[in-house]
Amino acid sequence: NAGVTQTPKFRILKIGQSMTLQCTQDMNHNYMYWYRQDPGMGLKLIYYSVGAGITDKGEVPNGYNVSRSTTEDFPLRLELAAPSQTSVYFCASTQRMGDQPQHFGDGTRLSIL
Amino acid sequence: DQQVKQNSPSLSVQEGRISILNCDYTNSMFDYFLWYKKYPAEGPTFLISISSIKDKNEDGRFTVFLNKSAKHLSLHIVPSQPGDSAVYFCAKGDGSSNTGKLIFGQGTTLQVKP
Repeated sequence: NAGVTQTPKFRILKIGQSMTLQCTQDMNHNYMYWYRQDPGMGLKLIYYSVGAGITDKGEVPNGYNVSRSTTEDFPLRLELAAPSQTSVYFCASTQRMGDQPQHFGDGTRLSIL
Repeated sequence: DQQVKQNSPSLSVQEGRISILNCDYTNSMFDYFLWYKKYPAEGPTFLISISSIKDKNEDGRFTVFLNKSAKHLSLHIVPSQPGDSAVYFCAKGDGSSNTGKLIFGQGTTLQVKP
């Protein structure tokens, strides 16, 4: 039971570099989400997807892009890394809307220096 | 505007006693609410939920109370155990939306002392 898998777990980037945070789930969930968590703060929604080929912006989308070509994968792309993007990133998925809980990966800790 | 607020950053209780974590929210008729627990270096894990048509939901040692008139949500843990020490997030979902999006509070760090 892998659930939601995120890679890498840790990464240090230089300002201006780009990278892709990977997220895959093996539960055949339609809904997937990317959040960031800054110290002492709650989780902020970056982007979400309600199914393959469908994505939309969340609360804090600037500086990020996503794609959803398959049900399983939902990568998050940082094109020009900035220090403000230093954070812990969580991917989550759920089978359907309503009070079904979202299942989270263990996060990617990203530092931009 | 912050739709979900957890005003207590931290809480410390003795093992065996009750832990009460609180959450305030802005109103939406079809909201549902969830509590997540988070250990360091791990992702949040679902604990318990409640829909807006209920006042209380119980699961073992965990009970969530919803006071709609006060727009207030609380999580009771009885009895508290050292393994309950973690960060607790409350979250609100919009039941009238088809996106499943959640809005999270800032979190409360619970420490249960042996």
